[in-house]
This record gives sequence, structure tokens and C-alpha cells, in this order.
Amino acid sequence: EEQLVESGGGLVQPGGSLRLSCTASGFTFSSYWMTWVRQAPGKGLEWVANITPDGRTQHYVDSVKGRFTISRDNSENSLYLQMSSLRDGDTAIYYCTNKETVWGQGTLVTVSS
Amino acid sequence: QAVVTQEPSLTVSPGGTVTLTCGSSTGAVTSGHYPHWFQQKPGQAPRTLIYHTSKKQALTPARFSGSLLGGKAALTLSGALPEDEAEYYCLLSYSGVGEVFGGGTKLTVL
Repeated sequence: EEQLVESGGGLVQPGGSLRLSCTASGFTFSSYWMTWVRQAPGKGLEWVANITPDGRTQHYVDSVKGRFTISRDNSENSLYLQMSSLRDGDTAIYYCTNKETVWGQGTLVTVSS
Repeated sequence: QAVVTQEPSLTVSPGGTVTLTCGSSTGAVTSGHYPHWFQQKPGQAPRTLIYHTSKKQALTPARFSGSLLGGKAALTLSGALPEDEAEYYCLLSYSGVGEVFGGGTKLTVL
């Protein structure tokens, strides 16, 4: 069974940092572009970042450029999102997905003092 | 950054057919935008229905299909069931820049 499991969410103060992880199983992780998507409470889906299968190229939504870094470790079937200088507007459920076949259940990030 | 547009809401009768569309502020949507369609029900994670315009995920019911229609990406539901009531999102890829979601279409089966 294809599966993605996110972890690392939680409550963080404005200006703080957090690292999200996403562990894959049941499919060939190293063959897929991987993507982080977030959803603020009561809002729609927002694309955050993606990374090529080999990890060499990343793209980001303008609102997180310079603050978030997406990375992956294909030997560990893992995807990461390092988030820094967090703002209230970053509060959301963060999902990882390969977009074609599987989504994680999401991890909640709350930025609040 | 591009803006991706979807109908905010649509209603379909049980057994009926409905087409949801996905447009781009940059012009016609093509296969090069690699359109994806996702379904999300309240309290659940999204799930993929269609990727790369018309390819179906293994568990996608046959009543869903994807296409390009009149310069937009389209998701057609033929033979709607009550369980198809959900929010539907499209996602378009912009080469070298990133990807953008549409605002979502709330589909009511009534």
C-alpha cells in the first residue's frame, strides 16, 4: 500500500522555526517529484514547494521564498520542509504528496504567541 | 504569479453529468500545464482523481474523466452519486516557476 506519513508539526511562536518530515512507503519514492501543499483553517489548498526526483531543483511559492527549504533523502524515502521566520499566515495543515497517487494525512503547524 | 480560476460552486442531480473547469490567467490551458484534479471531503486529506490532464489514479471511479475543453482543463463527472459531494481542486504547473491551485469548486449533489 502506498503511504506518506508527515510529522513535525506543532505550536511555534512567530519568528520561530520548524522542520517537517514525510516518510514514504509502498512506491518508488526516488522516481517522483514531491510536493508540499498547505491548507489554512477553512481555506483552500495552497501549493508551497516541490522538488525534482534527484533533489537538485526546487521551486517555491513567492510567500515562502527565502524562509522555507524543501529537501529529500532518497536513501531514507523521506521528504523534508525546513521552515524558518514563521508568521501567523503560515498556520495551516501541511500535506506532502507525489500528486499522482498518494497524499499524507497532514500535520498541523500553528504559529502563535 | 498566475491565477487559476474554478467555478466556486456547482450543483448536479443524482445520476446527472457535470463539468468542472480550470482556467489560467496566462492564457489557454494546455497539456504542458500538466493539469491535476483532486477531491477533498470535509475533515479529510485531498486525494488525486486525475493527473496529467486525463490519467486516472488507480482508485479513481470510472465516472470521472479529465480533458481539455475550450482552452481550459475540465473534469467531467458522469452519473453523479451522493458520495461525490465534495470540494474539487485543480492544479496547474508553470514551467520553471512552480504550480498554482485553483480556488476550488464546491460540488453539491442534490
